[in-house]
Amino acid sequence: SYELTQPPSVSVSPGQTATITCSGDALPKQYAYWYQQKSGQAPLMVIYKDSERTSGIPERFSGSSSGTTVTLTITGVQAEDEAHYYCQSADITGTHQIFGGGTELTVL
Amino acid sequence: EAQFVQSGGGLVQPGESLRLSCVGSGLTLSRYWMSWVRQAPGKGLEWVANIKQDGSTRYYGESVEGRFTISRDNANNSLFLQMDSLRIEDTAIYYCAPWGIIEGAISPWGQGTLVAVSS
Repeated sequence: SYELTQPPSVSVSPGQTATITCSGDALPKQYAYWYQQKSGQAPLMVIYKDSERTSGIPERFSGSSSGTTVTLTITGVQAEDEAHYYCQSADITGTHQIFGGGTELTVL
Repeated sequence: EAQFVQSGGGLVQPGESLRLSCVGSGLTLSRYWMSWVRQAPGKGLEWVANIKQDGSTRYYGESVEGRFTISRDNANNSLFLQMDSLRIEDTAIYYCAPWGIIEGAISPWGQGTLVAVSS
């Protein structure tokens, strides 16, 4: 079955840049979406269609795509950005959705 | 602002059934595909099912195909998930959300309801 692969964890100091990747064979043909989930809360979409920022999300969040990998970048990380981040996309048919395993972002 | 009130979760034994509900406000659910997504304790997100606006088309994740049924009642702005033959591994928080308000995106999410399957 189709999978999206993310690193389990990323750690950065405040003010640094965090980069979270998501790899999948269908990503050249399907958009990717990024969700932030803080402890005890429902997920919140931060990036849609690879690189569009959701309304109300700080400008330090950005997304990009290259081949079979999409990337979430947080420039100038703040303590409040500490959360789990999940990528989401669809299989090649577009009918079945898939989430990456999630990346825990730790702000040191 | 779109909000969803979820209910129906609880503790059941393996093999039993449960029906989850999701009622929307601030959003006309009939305009959108709807989704269920779950999250096992301490684990990641897993897509469960989608249903088209008129209920004519439904898609399911491999782990629930044949046991779960997604349905909707547009007149009451509601979404449902009938879960049969429950297994211990179905224990999770279940979230409802529209799929495609923004093309391909699952957003915004309900607050979730906990389903616990244990003997």
